Amino acid sequence: KAGVTQTPRYLIKTRGQQVTLSCSPISGHRSVSWYQQTPGQGLQFLFEYFSETQRNKGNFPGRFSGRQFSNSRSEMNVSTLELGDSALYLCASSLVPQGTNEKLFFGSGTQLSVL
Amino acid sequence: KQEVTQIPAALSVPEGENLVLNCSFTDSAIYNLQWFRQDPGKGLTSLLLIQSSQREQTSGRLNASLDKSSGRSTLYIAASQPGDSATYLCAWYSSASKIIFGSGTRLSIRP
Repeated sequence: KAGVTQTPRYLIKTRGQQVTLSCSPISGHRSVSWYQQTPGQGLQFLFEYFSETQRNKGNFPGRFSGRQFSNSRSEMNVSTLELGDSALYLCASSLVPQGTNEKLFFGSGTQLSVL
Repeated sequence: KQEVTQIPAALSVPEGENLVLNCSFTDSAIYNLQWFRQDPGKGLTSLLLIQSSQREQTSGRLNASLDKSSGRSTLYIAASQPGDSATYLCAWYSSASKIIFGSGTRLSIRP
């Protein structure tokens, strides 16, 4: 059974550009959540989608957005990139929404560098 | 502000030792707590999940306990091996319907 797949693995952008990251969950998983990991702030929750609907959102500006498709694949978009957006972006999937005692399965992440 | 604190931040021990990693959280109204390991440049691997109604979970050489009244969880690793070297993070799912991660304990097991 394939794990959570994130593409691309590495990305370099310049300030002001926008970027779209992709996440394919484990087959059958309907919940996809996104996280930002930086050395200074650690791992922070961005948002969670379940059955194409955003369930929860972390404390990030509106430049960070996402969506989920009918096949449960999810994309995350960051507009008007800032230097501080440089981070490892991780997505995780689970069978059912978070908080229902199901383990999270993480992808290997997309390392975004903003120059 | 809801927070998760992990102590120690880093730990280096010789192979074969038993060790304890600590995690404390600020809200006793948790739904569950998970322990993860993260290898450098990789995603997280879930090790153990403790539901709010449980006090502990075990998997192989790992045992995690949960004490909601004191806001603490511990991860016990028995007979440590070099392959256990990684960063260990705890995360709790809070009453605010958000998952909050600790900053992690960087563990190094010396052969």
